[in-house]
Amino acid sequence: TQLLEQSPQFLSIQEGENLTVYCNSSSVFSSLQWYRQEPGEGPVLLVTVVTGGEVKKLKRLTFQFGDARKDSSLHITAAQPGDTGLYLCAGAPAENSGGSNYKLTFGKGTLLTVNP
Amino acid sequence: DTEVTQTPKHLVMGMTNKKSLKCEQHMGHRAMYWYKQKAKKPPELMFVYSYEKLSINESVPSRFSPECPNSSLLNLHLHALQPEDSALYLCASSQDTGAGTEAFFGQGTRLTVV
Repeated sequence: TQLLEQSPQFLSIQEGENLTVYCNSSSVFSSLQWYRQEPGEGPVLLVTVVTGGEVKKLKRLTFQFGDARKDSSLHITAAQPGDTGLYLCAGAPAENSGGSNYKLTFGKGTLLTVNP
Repeated sequence: DTEVTQTPKHLVMGMTNKKSLKCEQHMGHRAMYWYKQKAKKPPELMFVYSYEKLSINESVPSRFSPECPNSSLLNLHLHALQPEDSALYLCASSQDTGAGTEAFFGQGTRLTVV
């Protein structure tokens, strides 16, 4: 059973379009992180959302954390070819945060391709 | 400085070889992690070290042996690997394992077992 369900798995769009990626779970998370990864490189942390209902903006990227802290979304406005990459959400269930059971686990990722 | 440094970047080894992957961070983080990632898949957790003690081993085969010599260093010793162990091995660190902690990743070691 996948703890974090990400959708869509693949997304191919034209430059200038908008898109939204979703990360859902039946578990409550103390926080969720979004990463972007390019081929052969490590994931790069984009943002961490901590408070239910929180919205964070990073230039053309908008991140939301659900009120119940079970889901999150990433919205990209006016996508550019440089946004191409694998977008990963990650988190540890609130019940496992702190102590020896802490596990940061990942969703399956969304492979985004932005065509010029 | 949010840098996690992994060496080597690429490694090719035979099935009878012994090699080690190294990871270093100087952010004062007390938790360090090893992940394995296959192509087009998410990273899969292998080991977690918290305050230099192994806290989680995700049923990883014994041919992978982690070591944490001090709070800044994390090694992964490899012995008698199989071709299916070829993958990108990622090291990460975080302040601790508390709520809201953020993990920072190295660039990874691309391992090929021949």
